[in-house]
Amino acid sequence: DGGITQSPKYLFRKEGQNVTLSCEQNLNHDAMYWYRQDPGQGLRLIYYSQIVNDFQKGDIAEGYSVSREKKESFPLTVTSAQKNPTAFYLCASSRTGGETQYFGPGTRLLVL
Amino acid sequence: SQQGEEDPQALSIQEGENATMNCSYKTSINNLQWYRQNSGRGLVHLILIRSNEREKHSGRLRVTLDTSKKSSSLLITASRAADTASYFCATDILAGGFKTIFGAGTRLFVKA
Repeated sequence: DGGITQSPKYLFRKEGQNVTLSCEQNLNHDAMYWYRQDPGQGLRLIYYSQIVNDFQKGDIAEGYSVSREKKESFPLTVTSAQKNPTAFYLCASSRTGGETQYFGPGTRLLVL
Repeated sequence: SQQGEEDPQALSIQEGENATMNCSYKTSINNLQWYRQNSGRGLVHLILIRSNEREKHSGRLRVTLDTSKKSSSLLITASRAADTASYFCATDILAGGFKTIFGAGTRLFVKA
C-alpha cells in the first residue's frame, strides 16, 4: 500500500517545548516538502529536500528544523523559537523537484 | 504578494452547474498544477499543465494556461455536491532548484 503518512494526527505543545512531526513515504520519491496552512489560507513552504542529506529553507523556516537522513523520512521539529506554531502541517513528496506532489493527511498542532 | 492568486476566493453554485476558477501568477513557470483539498485533509493532485501546453482535460475537469497573460483556469463541468472543497493552483518555478508556490485557494460550495 504505497503512500505518504504523517503522525500524529493531532499534537499538543506546551510553552517552551520542542515537538517533532513525522513524515514517511514509500513511493521512492527523491523530493520531500513541509508546508504550513493557517485557517482559510493557502500553503506556505517551510523546508524542502530534493535528495537525501540535503534540504533548503522555504519561505517561513524560522523556528523550524528538519533532517533528511533517509530517503523515506523527513521529520519536522517545531522548536520553542516558533512563537505561533498553531497550524495544520502538511508533508508532501514528489518523484523529483517540480513534479506532482503527493500529500499526507496532515498533522494539526495546538499549543496548550 | 502571492505568486499564485486564485479568483474568486469563494464560489457557490447549484449542483449541475459549471464552476470556473482562475489563477494568476507573476513570474515565469515550468508547470502549473491544480490541487483539491477537502476540509481538514491533505491535498489531492488534479492536473499538471506544462508551460508549453495550452489546455488539458481530465474527466469533468478542463484546465487552460495562457502564459502571455500569466493565468490559468480550472473548469469543473456538471458539478456535484461532492465537488465541494478548496481548490489551489500551484506554480513550479526554477529558483536554485524547483520550487512550488501555492495560492490561497478558491472555496467551492456546490448545493444539492
